[in-house]
Amino acid sequence: GQQVMQIPQYQHVQEGEDFTTYCNSSTTLSNIQWYKQRPGGHPVFLIQLVKSGEVKKQKRLTFQFGEAKKNSSLHITATQTTDVGTYFCADLSGGYQKVTFGTGTKLQVIP
Amino acid sequence: DSGVTQTPKHLITATGQRVTLRCSPRSGDLSVYWYQQSLDQGLQFLIQYYNGEERAKGNILERFSAQQFPDLHSELNLSSLELGDSALYFCASSEGGHPTSEQFFGPGTRLTVL
Repeated sequence: GQQVMQIPQYQHVQEGEDFTTYCNSSTTLSNIQWYKQRPGGHPVFLIQLVKSGEVKKQKRLTFQFGEAKKNSSLHITATQTTDVGTYFCADLSGGYQKVTFGTGTKLQVIP
Repeated sequence: DSGVTQTPKHLITATGQRVTLRCSPRSGDLSVYWYQQSLDQGLQFLIQYYNGEERAKGNILERFSAQQFPDLHSELNLSSLELGDSALYFCASSEGGHPTSEQFFGPGTRLTVL
């Protein structure tokens, strides 16, 4: 079945450093959604990418969809302690909204 | 606060037992999704209902079942519980059945099977 892998699994950064997580699929992705889950919290929707090569920005966050629609990335510029959490990508390729979540990247920001 | 409510917040039970988890979606949302999150398995999609009907099925065990009622709330039934069923169970809702609908997650129910 479809696998959606995220790398890295864990990342520790100094506050102010940049951070990037990558989402890679064994099959062509359809719509990619990104979610953030704070420690002890629930996933919160960040953004959705639909088109090949699409780039979207939200303040310090930049989301990109690969040209071949087999990968996506989330880049955070100048991390802050509030960025701490696990970032998940989710693919909706399975038809009828069958959702496949990526393995997640846990970000720790050291003040 | 996402507007999605889940009860109970915590549930402790024994192996072999049966439990029911409840979810109320955001007002106006017709789709309800159930997810299981465990430490070693990440976030696993279980099942989706749209306006009372099953819409999509993921990695849901035969011991598990769900339904969505006319008032759109949903229940996830877990039976013959095993130690490995201990996990955080999330419910999410979205406005429509279209694949691009944003999902709003509830706070989750933490199930512990002893």
